[in-house]
Amino acid sequence: ETGVTQTPRHLVMGMTNKKSLKCEQHLGHNAMYWYKQSAKKPLELMFVYNFKEQTENNSVPSRFSPECPNSSHLFLHLHTLQPEDSALYLCASSQRGSASGANVLTFGAGSRLTVL
Amino acid sequence: DQQVKQNSPSLSVQEGRISILNCDYTNSMFDYFLWYKKYPAEGPTFLISISSIKDKNEDGRFTVFLNKSAKHLSLHIVPSQPGDSAVYFCAAGGSFSGGYQKVTFGTGTKLQVIP
Repeated sequence: ETGVTQTPRHLVMGMTNKKSLKCEQHLGHNAMYWYKQSAKKPLELMFVYNFKEQTENNSVPSRFSPECPNSSHLFLHLHTLQPEDSALYLCASSQRGSASGANVLTFGAGSRLTVL
Repeated sequence: DQQVKQNSPSLSVQEGRISILNCDYTNSMFDYFLWYKKYPAEGPTFLISISSIKDKNEDGRFTVFLNKSAKHLSLHIVPSQPGDSAVYFCAAGGSFSGGYQKVTFGTGTKLQVIP
């Protein structure tokens, strides 16, 4: 496998369920991200992990819980979500270089989440 | 407050003609600007970038122009091909903080190239 792989691709869950989204990158990158894409809205940054340490939590509700056990894997644990949380969740990775140059993200195909 | 704006949600262009996608930003501290392309059922893929110290960057059929005084950038695709039909996201990168450069995205413009 190459690039950034996300599973599952589609997920339907009730508001009381607990589920997890998984992301794996095979690029040797050291930063991983969760983004949320809702209709007619910009991609919203949720969390950033740099060298397995969380460096950004963009005011995300606690019903979303990230986990980064190593620099290749990233999880998003979901618990008691609301219907408005239905969206496409995108995982991305990048290589932290020097403090210059564009931070080019490599995205996975996304996990389409529907909360009933 | 939306710092990166793509005011045209969609654009239709005839095959072979030029496609021009526009993007405006509000934060003068952005260091880099990027364009991503997204096909249905796939994640966004990086297309081209430009540093804030340049006004033009070209890569094959794709050229990005930056007008810092107007806080405006545009992506030109010449000639447009049906395979270019996708959603294009404009993005801007700020300074490094916490070990990474935060990237802010626009809402995207859906380009349809008509054969």
